[in-house]
Amino acid sequence: DVKVTQSSRYLVKRTGEKVFLECVQDMDHENMFWYRQDPGLGLRLIYFSYDVKMKEKGDIPEGYSVSREKKERFSLILESASTNQTSMYLCASRNGGYNSPLHFGNGTRLTVT
Amino acid sequence: GESVGLHLPTLSVQEGDNSIINCAYSNSASDYFIWYKQESGKGPQFIIDIRSNMDKRQGQRVTVLLNKTVKHLSLQIAATQPGDSAVYFCAEMDSSYKLIFGSGTRLLVRP
Repeated sequence: DVKVTQSSRYLVKRTGEKVFLECVQDMDHENMFWYRQDPGLGLRLIYFSYDVKMKEKGDIPEGYSVSREKKERFSLILESASTNQTSMYLCASRNGGYNSPLHFGNGTRLTVT
Repeated sequence: GESVGLHLPTLSVQEGDNSIINCAYSNSASDYFIWYKQESGKGPQFIIDIRSNMDKRQGQRVTVLLNKTVKHLSLQIAATQPGDSAVYFCAEMDSSYKLIFGSGTRLLVRP
């Protein structure tokens, strides 16, 4: 089974802090994704990466950046955390085929105070 | 814009009955669809997928039906069990190969 591991289940950060969310997958998947999930809004794509060193903006990239230095690891960075970034963050991976499902981690619930 | 929606936000069924969760999609060009299950405190879990060249696909206790004429997708769960209680999402692959998710339907299984 595919395993996508997010380093933290819960995080509490202060406004203005720089926040790093880490994600590792163990299936040698080429594609990796970061979503946020909010009640009533579903899953919204923040950033994705089709390969090492590559990144693409999703639908809501403002306030975020990403890093993919190794194939198995995809990091989401909140440059200066704000209260409207309080959310559940979900990392996912997929093999290179477009018509293949995403496999998700269990999420990081981030609270910005 | 392209969107995926769900008809019922909450579905309550008796244990042992069959469940049907519905989803409407808006983009007739979408050619790949997925159903996910999300339990409380966990990430979405892949259940089953279907490509647009099919109208039915079966898994273990689950069946996905695709009606391209009316742009409708459904997930059928046979003999629903307490462990099936969760939020279910449909998703479609848009023309830029990104997945677009619906907001979810909560399935409650009554003992």
